[in-house]
Amino acid sequence: DSGVTQTPKHLITATGQRVTLRCSPRSGDLSVYWYQQSLDQGLQFLIQYYNGEERAKGNILERFSAQQFPDLHSELNLSSLELGDSALYFCASSPLQGLGNEQFFGPGTRLTVL
Amino acid sequence: GQNIDQPTEMTATEGAIVQINCTYQTSGFNGLFWYQQHAGEAPTFLSYNVLDGLEEKGRFSSFLSRSKGYSYLLLKELQMKDSASYLCAVRVAQTGANNLFFGTGTRLTVIP
Repeated sequence: DSGVTQTPKHLITATGQRVTLRCSPRSGDLSVYWYQQSLDQGLQFLIQYYNGEERAKGNILERFSAQQFPDLHSELNLSSLELGDSALYFCASSPLQGLGNEQFFGPGTRLTVL
Repeated sequence: GQNIDQPTEMTATEGAIVQINCTYQTSGFNGLFWYQQHAGEAPTFLSYNVLDGLEEKGRFSSFLSRSKGYSYLLLKELQMKDSASYLCAVRVAQTGANNLFFGTGTRLTVIP
């Protein structure tokens, strides 16, 4: 158990809908990262927040947005969902903004778009 | 951008040694990580190299050559539970960020 929690574990929805994925980092970690992992694809970095502020953006679509709240939990919002958005979405956390070492991954949310 | 290559699949025998290679091309290299991921589960951290050389951690060792853009993960005394995907990830230095860019992973199957 990494100490990172994600809800829900599974989510099934239809095309065109909007969903929100939630992540709580490990106690004391200020950085939160979101990744997408499609079938047979590597982990794709989406976005990073540090202490409430966006720090870096990766391959995140304009239909996706995220935020980190004062209690440090983070939400990833996915809108106008398409079939291709079906994937595992992982959240990770680390203590530091920049040169921290490992990132600790949550168990993931499996999103299925029908 | 970043380009990270690793073999897609490997098979090895229980009790043997296996080496999983990773090559990368990136700007702003600031460390290389190896993660283990069982199907449908979260990646778990195995090792981290930022300087050239070998880092040993029990049955697992990782090597880095920054000049060659090359790393490998060595697994000794393979066990059935080592069947998993092994992800090579490069950390890229960006102002105020600590981003990891992952390869597609090597699926290792350990056979009796």
